[in-house]
Amino acid sequence: GEDVEQSLFLSVREGDSSVINCTYTDSSSTYLYWYKQEPGAGLQLLTYIFSNMDMKQDQRLTVLLNKKDKHLSLRIADTQTGDSAIYFCAESLAASGTYKYIFGTGTRLKVLA
Amino acid sequence: KAGVTQTPRYLIKTRGQQVTLSCSPISGHRSVSWYQQTPGQGLQFLFEYFSETQRNKGNFPGRFSGRQFSNSRSEMNVSTLELGDSALYLCASSLEPDRTTEAFFGQGTRLTVV
Repeated sequence: GEDVEQSLFLSVREGDSSVINCTYTDSSSTYLYWYKQEPGAGLQLLTYIFSNMDMKQDQRLTVLLNKKDKHLSLRIADTQTGDSAIYFCAESLAASGTYKYIFGTGTRLKVLA
Repeated sequence: KAGVTQTPRYLIKTRGQQVTLSCSPISGHRSVSWYQQTPGQGLQFLFEYFSETQRNKGNFPGRFSGRQFSNSRSEMNVSTLELGDSALYLCASSLEPDRTTEAFFGQGTRLTVV
C-alpha cells in the first residue's frame, strides 16, 4: 500500500533543533521530499533525497533516510520563529510511465520565542 | 517572474452544483499537477498534465476532471459537488514532469460546499 505518516504537532524553543519524522510504506519510492507550507501560502520544496543516499545536508537542514526502516527525518538546526509552518513529507512512485506523489498529513511546527 | 496563479482564491458552492478552478503555471512551465488538501486526509494527488495530456491520475471519482490548454494553463472541474469536496485545492507547476525538478505551488483555491 501507499501511505506516508507523520506526527501532527511539534513544538520547540527558538534556537533549539527541530526533528520532524516521517515513515513511508512503499519501498519502491526513489525520491523523498520535504515541503514547507506557511499560512495562506502554497507548498515550498525544501529539499529532496534520492533513496540510495543516507543523508543530505543543506545549510540548517539535514535529511536522514533509513531505507531499511522506511524512515525519513528532517532536522532544522537553530530553529527560528520564521520556521513555524506545516512540514510535509512526500514520496514519488513510478506509475504508468510517469510519477505520482504521496504526501504525509503534515507536521505543524510551532517555534516558541 | 510571476508565480503560480490560482483563481478564484475562495469559492462557496451548494451541493449538487459544479465548479471550475483555474491554474496558470509559471511562464515556461509545461507540467501542472492538482492536489486536494483536507484536514482529515492531508494532501492527495488528483492528476497531472503535461503538453495537454493527462499523464497520471489519483484515486478520485470521475466527478473530478481536468484539462490543460496549449498555453499550459489548466482547469479542474468537479461536478455534482458533495460536502466532502470542501477543501483547499492546490496546483503545482514545473518545467517538466521530472521528480527532481522543483514544483512550485500556488496559494490554492479554498472551496466550501454547503
